Amino acid sequence: DVKVTQSSRYLVKRTGEKVFLECVQDMDHENMFWYRQDPGLGLRLIYFSYDVKMKEKGDIPEGYSVSREKKERFSLILESASTNQTSMYLCASRASGSYEQYFGPGTRLTVT
Amino acid sequence: AQKVTQAQTEISVVEKEDVTLDCVYETRDTTYYLFWYKQPPSGELVFLIRRNSFDEQNEISGRYSWNFQKSTSSFNFTITASQVVDSAVYFCALSEAEAAGNKLTFGGGTRVLVKP
Repeated sequence: DVKVTQSSRYLVKRTGEKVFLECVQDMDHENMFWYRQDPGLGLRLIYFSYDVKMKEKGDIPEGYSVSREKKERFSLILESASTNQTSMYLCASRASGSYEQYFGPGTRLTVT
Repeated sequence: AQKVTQAQTEISVVEKEDVTLDCVYETRDTTYYLFWYKQPPSGELVFLIRRNSFDEQNEISGRYSWNFQKSTSSFNFTITASQVVDSAVYFCALSEAEAAGNKLTFGGGTRVLVKP
């Protein structure tokens, strides 16, 4: 089974802090994704990566950056957290040639 | 631009009732893929099904069935004889074959509450 893990289930940070959300997958997938989930809006794509050190902006990249130094790990960075970034963050991975994405359990981030 | 609409935000049923979740999509591509995911209270999205745009056959998997109709751009999901364990948020999603990264566009989700 594909396993996608995220470093924290719950996280509370203060406005202006730098925040790192980590995601690790164990199936050697080339593609990895970061989404945020808000009520009524579904999941919206922040960034994705199709290879090590490669990244592409999704639909809502503003206020976020990403890092992919190793194939199995994809990090989401909030350079200066703001209250409007309070949300559920979900990581996913996908093998090239496949269309199914496999999701981690999510990190519920609260910025106060 | 691709778009997915799930008009029902929440559905409440009593156990053993059938429930149908609506999904309407918009795309300009001729080749695309449609998905349903389940998100139980634990939070992790679970993949349920993928259909491609060239295959309009309906599909049944146990108590789950899916009705894909290109003429109405709909991909509806029915749970037959619902159970309490079906309580979750269900998401419909679309991926265009030409989209960068084959990214998924999700609907807003439908929360299903099955009461005993």
